[in-house]
Amino acid sequence: NAGVTQTPKFQVLKTGQSMTLQCAQDMNHEYMSWYRQDPGMGLRLIHYSVGAGITDQGEVPNGYNVSRSTTEDFPLRLLSAAPSQTSVYFCASSDGQGAISFFGQGTRLTVV
Amino acid sequence: EDQVTQSPEALRLQEGESSSLNCSYTVSGLRGLFWYRQDPGKGPEFLFTLYSAGEEKEKERLKATLTKKESFLHITAPKPEDSATYLCAVQASGNTGKLIFGQGTTLQVKP
Repeated sequence: NAGVTQTPKFQVLKTGQSMTLQCAQDMNHEYMSWYRQDPGMGLRLIHYSVGAGITDQGEVPNGYNVSRSTTEDFPLRLLSAAPSQTSVYFCASSDGQGAISFFGQGTRLTVV
Repeated sequence: EDQVTQSPEALRLQEGESSSLNCSYTVSGLRGLFWYRQDPGKGPEFLFTLYSAGEEKEKERLKATLTKKESFLHITAPKPEDSATYLCAVQASGNTGKLIFGQGTTLQVKP
């Protein structure tokens, strides 16, 4: 099992560009989520999904879109990148409420 | 509002010097409290889950405890390889798996 796989590991974008951060899990988990990690802020929830076709907003959703067409994949789209979106992004999956969340290795994004 | 606060922000220990990390939380119904370890440039790695006050979990030099308001991560006789950032997170009842994280405690253990 690969667990949770995120691509790319590093990315530099220009302000206004769009891109998609990929996340895939091979554990057949229903729950998937995206967090961003900034210095001194801890991890903050962007969007989450409790199953294919179901998504909802987290704490900091503005500027990001998600969709969940399959159980395995949960891509995060930046529509028009801004310097404030410079951060490290983590995708996580879990088996349900109260279950352990497994994290990917992260994508370090810089917007210039 | 659900909230998690970790202290201290940073901790330096000599090898073998035991200490504790604190995680205080306020949550509308606790479904679970999670401890993670994060190494530089890596994703969080699961350590423990605690579900009810009075529960304790242990793994090698680490022991996690839980009360109704806080959790402690006790580190006994730490080694340099225990150096990492330790993250605490809570999951509230009915919150569909969402985690609320504290800011983390960065531990450095010197030989």
